[in-house]
Amino acid sequence: AQTVTQSQPEMSVQEAETVTLSCTYDTSESNYYLFWYKQPPSRQMILVIRQEAYKQQNATENRFSVNFQKAAKSFSLKISDSQLGDTAMYFCAFMNYYQLIWGAGTKLIIKP
Amino acid sequence: SQTIHQWPATLVQPVGSPLSLECTVEGTSNPNLYWYRQAAGRGLQLLFYSVGIGQISSEVPQNLSASRPQDRQFILSSKKLLLSDSGFYLCAWSAEDYGNTGELFFGEGSRLTVL
Repeated sequence: AQTVTQSQPEMSVQEAETVTLSCTYDTSESNYYLFWYKQPPSRQMILVIRQEAYKQQNATENRFSVNFQKAAKSFSLKISDSQLGDTAMYFCAFMNYYQLIWGAGTKLIIKP
Repeated sequence: SQTIHQWPATLVQPVGSPLSLECTVEGTSNPNLYWYRQAAGRGLQLLFYSVGIGQISSEVPQNLSASRPQDRQFILSSKKLLLSDSGFYLCAWSAEDYGNTGELFFGEGSRLTVL
């Protein structure tokens, strides 16, 4: 069965620090997508970043970047220069053939 | 631009009562529509998805049902709520070419408490 594991239920860092959220997944497929979604408190869940498995280059979106290790089935999210607005639940997700598999989430708190 | 709305935002219902959560999408046609349940510490669980009017696929057998009476309307229902139906429900949509992008757009969520 395909699974996604986020081993850090909660993390907190000081504003302006860099933080890395971990995600591992299990699949026998070779072509798939990986995602990080962000769910701020009382706000809508939004897509942060997406990685296609066939691309070796790690995706980046401004202060957000990923470290995609296909052989290790690892997909971590790095947030640089963290801001108070980054406080949220972060979900890692794996997609194969229209099916999204979600991790349990990591609660990230940015402290002033 | 596309928007998605779901309501009500919060709902407190007694066991055995019916349920209706509604979701509408604006600004797009033929969206794929989804109902998820989010449980604390367990991520998102797909309940239903729909690729067109009247086409509903159920992922998890349970006390709930879904309907899509119009292209951009998705309804989650129950005839008799159970305590275990309590949770946070999310509606989402994706473009027809979902397989090419994988991006979902979520509503604000509905928190259901069954007493």
